[in-house]
Amino acid sequence: QKEVEQNSGPLSVPEGAIASLNCTYSDRGSQSFFWYRQYSGKSPELIMSIYSNGDKEDGRFTAQLNKASQYVSLLIRDSQPSDSATYLCASLNRDDKIIFGKGTRLHILP
Amino acid sequence: GAGVSQSPRYKVAKRGQDVALRCDPISGHVSLFWYQQALGQGPEFLTYFQNEAQLDKSGLPSDRFFAERPEGSVSTLKIQRTQQEDSAVYLCASSLGGGGAREQFFGPGTRLTVL
Repeated sequence: QKEVEQNSGPLSVPEGAIASLNCTYSDRGSQSFFWYRQYSGKSPELIMSIYSNGDKEDGRFTAQLNKASQYVSLLIRDSQPSDSATYLCASLNRDDKIIFGKGTRLHILP
Repeated sequence: GAGVSQSPRYKVAKRGQDVALRCDPISGHVSLFWYQQALGQGPEFLTYFQNEAQLDKSGLPSDRFFAERPEGSVSTLKIQRTQQEDSAVYLCASSLGGGGAREQFFGPGTRLTVL
């Protein structure tokens, strides 16, 4: 079992709708979680970090963390075609190492 | 500089050739990380520096891989006797503080193709 698991997708969402991206992690000692966006052929770009249980909102993005369920999610409201990318979930594990999931490909349908 | 820079952006090597990949982190960033990203995968950790000290090299796949950061700023990842399985994008990231907890900022990557 990989430490960070994501559905590879593609996830197709109509423009203007809410895109929901999910991630689970196996190391209960993980304390910090990150969402990166990666356009094809480009490097990952940090869009959200979350450290405590609950929701964290930044513009159209909301990150959610549930440590009891070892679950992290990212919601994108009012999805735009420019949101089409691969979204990488990452966690900082007990060895102080950031572990990435494989990423979920998101496709916003115009 | 404004962001993390890497050079070269693309490198084609013949099998058995040695290569050196350079990373210039954001000025003042203490921590520097190297990752390997294969097609369709997330970045895989290779090694981590805090200033000039290499604190973790557990992700380096073999002793053909070597990284250094002698003055605590620029870093070089060297791959000796390249193999086809070394073909990947090599990403460098830096973060302001020590430890892995801080947000990391990535460079554009070096795409290595070994023929």
